Amino acid sequence: NAGVTQTPKFRILKIGQSMTLQCAQDMNHNYMYWYRQDPGMGLKLIYYSVGAGITDKGEVPNGYNVSRSTTEDFPLRLELAAPSQTSVYFCASSSGDSVQPFFGQGTRLTVV
Amino acid sequence: KNQVEQSPQSLIILEGKNCTLQCNYTVSPFSNLRWYKQDTGRGPVSLTIMTFSENTKSNGRYTATLDADTKQSSLHITASQLSDSASYICVVSPTFTSGTYKYIFGTGTRLKVLA
Repeated sequence: NAGVTQTPKFRILKIGQSMTLQCAQDMNHNYMYWYRQDPGMGLKLIYYSVGAGITDKGEVPNGYNVSRSTTEDFPLRLELAAPSQTSVYFCASSSGDSVQPFFGQGTRLTVV
Repeated sequence: KNQVEQSPQSLIILEGKNCTLQCNYTVSPFSNLRWYKQDTGRGPVSLTIMTFSENTKSNGRYTATLDADTKQSSLHITASQLSDSASYICVVSPTFTSGTYKYIFGTGTRLKVLA
């Protein structure tokens, strides 16, 4: 059981480039989330989804987009990378809105 | 404003010693509280989860306590091991209203266990 799988683990982007962070879970969870973790800060919610075809903004959605075409996948898109988006990104999933989420291993993104 | 504050920010202890990490929150209404362990370069992994009606919960050498009246939780680590070196994150879930949802994350306590 792989749980939550994120790819890539590391990435360096130039300002203005775009990329997609991939997230897949094999636990048939309806709820999926994207967080970013900046040094010395708590995780901040970027976007979340309560099921296929449904997405909603979290605390810090600006500069990001998501889609949820299947239950398993929840990719996060950065269209015009900015240095402020340098962070560690975590994808998570849960089976319900009161159930503890399982986290992926994270993607460390640096924008230069 | 819903907030979760953890103390201390960092802690260094010797292997075999006990330690206690603190979490104070202002989240209201409150559904449940979780403690996560996050190893360097890894995603958070759940240690315990407690609802507002629970006072204590253990997971091996980890024991979490909750006082919903004072809005405080603690994580006690017994007989620390080198592998306990990690960040410990307190996460509080508000009671869900109007279909919106959000976990409130603390900034974590970074624990270093020395041989």
